[in-house]
Amino acid sequence: QKEVEQDPGPLSVPEGAIVSLNCTYSNSAFQYFMWYRQYSRKGPELLMYTYSSGNKEDGRFTAQVDKSSKYISLFIRDSQPSDSATYLCAMSASNQFYFGTGTSLTVIP
Amino acid sequence: EAEVAQSPRYKITEKSQAVAFWCDPISGHATLYWYRQILGQGPELLVQFQDESVVDDSQLPKDRFSAERLKGVDSTLKIQPAELGDSAMYLCASSGGQGFGRAHSPLHFGNGTRLTVT
Repeated sequence: QKEVEQDPGPLSVPEGAIVSLNCTYSNSAFQYFMWYRQYSRKGPELLMYTYSSGNKEDGRFTAQVDKSSKYISLFIRDSQPSDSATYLCAMSASNQFYFGTGTSLTVIP
Repeated sequence: EAEVAQSPRYKITEKSQAVAFWCDPISGHATLYWYRQILGQGPELLVQFQDESVVDDSQLPKDRFSAERLKGVDSTLKIQPAELGDSAMYLCASSGGQGFGRAHSPLHFGNGTRLTVT
């Protein structure tokens, strides 16, 4: 079993839709949770960084962590064509990072 | 905003040749990582440095890959000889945290070097 599971998609939504991206994990030691956005031929860009359970909001993005269910989510409100990218979840315990495979998102104008 | 610098952006080489990638992390970041990313997959760790010391190279194919960070700042990743299966994106990341009393902090990535081995 992989440390982090992420549905690869692809996910296609109309502009303005609410997008929900999710990851599950198996290691209860993970304490830090991240979402990265990766455009084609670019490196991953940090979007959200959270510690332990709860919600964090930044503009149109909300990160949610449920440690009891070992489940994290990223919500994108009012999605824009510029949000079209691959979204990677990542988790960390001490100094090691574990990544999902990424979900490919396309927002159709 | 400070960035992780990587060069070259693209590299095409023939199998059995040697290639080298360079990374300059965000100033002050003590921890540096090299990842390999195959299309459609998440990044996989090759090697992790804390300052100039290797912390984790358990996934580095040491028969052909080498990495160094001599002065604890920039780093070089080398492949010799390159094989067809090495074609991938090689990403460098840095972090200001992890270990030695530093608070945890997330990874910041460069734009990578896309390697094609023919």
